[in-house]
Amino acid sequence: SYVLTQPPSVSVAPGQTARITCGGNTIATKPVHWYQQRPGQAPVVVVYDDSDRPSGIPERFSGSKSGSTATLTISRVEAGDEADYYCHVWDTSSFVVFGGGTKLTVL
Amino acid sequence: QVTLRESGPALVKPTQTLTLTCTFSGFSLNTGGTCVTWLRQPPGKALEWLALIDWDEDKYYSPSLKTRLTISRDTPKNQVVLTLTNMDPVDTGTYYCARIGSRKDSALDVWGQGSMVTVSS
Repeated sequence: SYVLTQPPSVSVAPGQTARITCGGNTIATKPVHWYQQRPGQAPVVVVYDDSDRPSGIPERFSGSKSGSTATLTISRVEAGDEADYYCHVWDTSSFVVFGGGTKLTVL
Repeated sequence: QVTLRESGPALVKPTQTLTLTCTFSGFSLNTGGTCVTWLRQPPGKALEWLALIDWDEDKYYSPSLKTRLTISRDTPKNQVVLTLTNMDPVDTGTYYCARIGSRKDSALDVWGQGSMVTVSS
C-alpha cells in the first residue's frame, strides 16, 4: 500500500517560517493536497494540486515539491495557524491516501 | 453553495452495523469528475480514508476495511450512504463525508462537519 510520511510535530516561533514535509515514493507524479484541521473542526484544504491556493487562504500558505518530498510552507506564522496539517494524494492501488498528520505548535 | 451533512447514530453496540448518510446540496454527483468520499478520525488520531463513489457509480474502498464497507448513492435524494459492519470499539470516532470536485485525484474541497460515533455496549 502507498504511504505518505509526515513528521509528527513541527514547532516555530511567531513570525517565523514553518515547513511541513510529506514524503512518498513517486510523489513527484501525483498532485499533492494539504489540509489544515483546527481542534474540533473539519479539515479545510489550504493548498491543492501541489501549489495552488483556494480563495480565502492567505498567501502565507504555499506548497512545493521536489524529488520524493512535498512541502507545505507557512510564512510569517501566526498563533491562529496552530493546527494539525495533513497531506493527501490519489494512488492507483491504494486510492485516497493521507499522511499521518503534523501538529504545528506556535511557540 | 456546496454543503454536505453527515447523519446517523451517535452510539452503536459492538457487532452491529453502522449506517451513515451524507446529504449534499449545491452540486450533482452526475457531473463528470465529481466524487463523494468518507473518512474517519478516532479521538486524538489521524484521518483515515474509508470509501469513495464517483459520478459513474464506480466504488473504491480502503484495502484494510473493504470487507466491512459498502458505499452507495441515492441520486434523487442527493445522498451517499456508508455502511460498516461488525462494529468494534476501535471504530469509535468522527466520520466525515467530503466532495471531490473535478477528478479523482483532486482535493477534498468541501467537507461535512462530521458525525461522532461511539461503539460501546
